[in-house]
Amino acid sequence: DQQVKQNSPSLSVQEGRISILNCDYTNSMFDYFLWYKKYPAEGPTFLISISSIKDKNEDGRFTVFLNKSAKHLSLHIVPSQPGDSAVYFCAARRKANAGGTSYGKLTFGQGTILTVHP
Amino acid sequence: KAGVTQTPRYLIKTRGQQVTLSCSPISGHRSVSWYQQTPGQGLQFLFEYFSETQRNKGNFPGRFSGRQFSNSRSEMNVSTLELGDSALYLCASSLVKGEQYFGPGTRLTVT
Repeated sequence: DQQVKQNSPSLSVQEGRISILNCDYTNSMFDYFLWYKKYPAEGPTFLISISSIKDKNEDGRFTVFLNKSAKHLSLHIVPSQPGDSAVYFCAARRKANAGGTSYGKLTFGQGTILTVHP
Repeated sequence: KAGVTQTPRYLIKTRGQQVTLSCSPISGHRSVSWYQQTPGQGLQFLFEYFSETQRNKGNFPGRFSGRQFSNSRSEMNVSTLELGDSALYLCASSLVKGEQYFGPGTRLTVT
């Protein structure tokens, strides 16, 4: 049962244009979402996050949008640069239970390979 | 501030052996989580430790275990290695809650 899905295995974009990476989730208990970028043989690098009480969060060229009713989030990169070429993972975290013990578990999507062409 | 460090970076073991991987979190981070990345299964949560206590566990067999020390450093152990345990093992640290920051990983190959 894949609770976080990235349905596009790959995306190819021209330098300077917008990259839009999509992610869907099924578990309504998720309340915090994150995007990570990963190069081969390295650990994921945190990019940006959003809480379920918001519908948008921006950080420089990166913007994450959350549509709770559709259980959908997207990452926009504007403008895209060749150095952005990597695998992008979305991840979700459940609401903490009464003991606050669910903070450490992230559920990841399968990743989308982004290629930005010069 | 130094990032998350993991040792060793690469490891080759034989089926049936056991292995211990180490993780040093970012200074001040008390939560350490472990993940397994394989081509077929993606990134899968193994377990999380906070203040030397395991507070979350993923769906992995009991051969996978871990611990956390008083300085927040963590180790994970895999006993009776199987070929399917070949993977990139990632450690991540965070404050009590918040974003997780990952180390570079340990690439384990089981032959």
